[in-house]
Amino acid sequence: DIQMTQSPSSLSASVGDRVTITCRASQSISSYLNWYQQKPGKAPNLLIYAASSLQSGVPSRFSGSGSGADFTLTISSLQPEDFATYYCQQSYSTPYTFGQGTKLEIK
Amino acid sequence: QVQLVQSGAEVKKPGSSVKVSCKASGGTFSSYTISWVRQAPGQGLEWMGRIIPMFGTTNYAQKFQGRVTITADESTSTAFMELSTLTSEDAAVYYCARDGASVMDFWGQGTLVTVSS
Repeated sequence: DIQMTQSPSSLSASVGDRVTITCRASQSISSYLNWYQQKPGKAPNLLIYAASSLQSGVPSRFSGSGSGADFTLTISSLQPEDFATYYCQQSYSTPYTFGQGTKLEIK
Repeated sequence: QVQLVQSGAEVKKPGSSVKVSCKASGGTFSSYTISWVRQAPGQGLEWMGRIIPMFGTTNYAQKFQGRVTITADESTSTAFMELSTLTSEDAAVYYCARDGASVMDFWGQGTLVTVSS
């Protein structure tokens, strides 16, 4: 199975900050990398697919980059509704695997 | 717009089985894949397996092989996930998701499964 490692596991930031979350795969996964946002008690919500494509309806302050084994999710200017947990997920091969999550908290 | 509506919360005894349903509307059910993902309390996301309703083909994570069965009924646009021989470690929220081109873009609301004697 492909292992996905996110960092950091948690992050404190303020409204307006620029935030970057990284995700590393245990092998090359090309661009088969997706990012999800999850709020408490809710299902995950797709933000970015294929490493850098913005899902329809997702604000443009979210962006993704990377290929191979190293990826990043960037939020350019944090808004109050962005405080949540973020997960990366590889779709290069089954079983699909997720990173352990990054909890983004208000400073 | 695809919408996935899951069945309600379940309370099961250890050793029993649970079957969760996921009814789809919008889009063409038989043309896409349905994946199942679970999340234990306070934990991350874990992919369990998927089905392509058009072909009835499935693949499962090795961890659940032999204990999970994913099926689909095209006539009702409903997918099902059955997990057997439940233990306390199976207590989780179970999600279905449309898996379009390996991207899980629409999700059900989740079904809480509690395992308790």
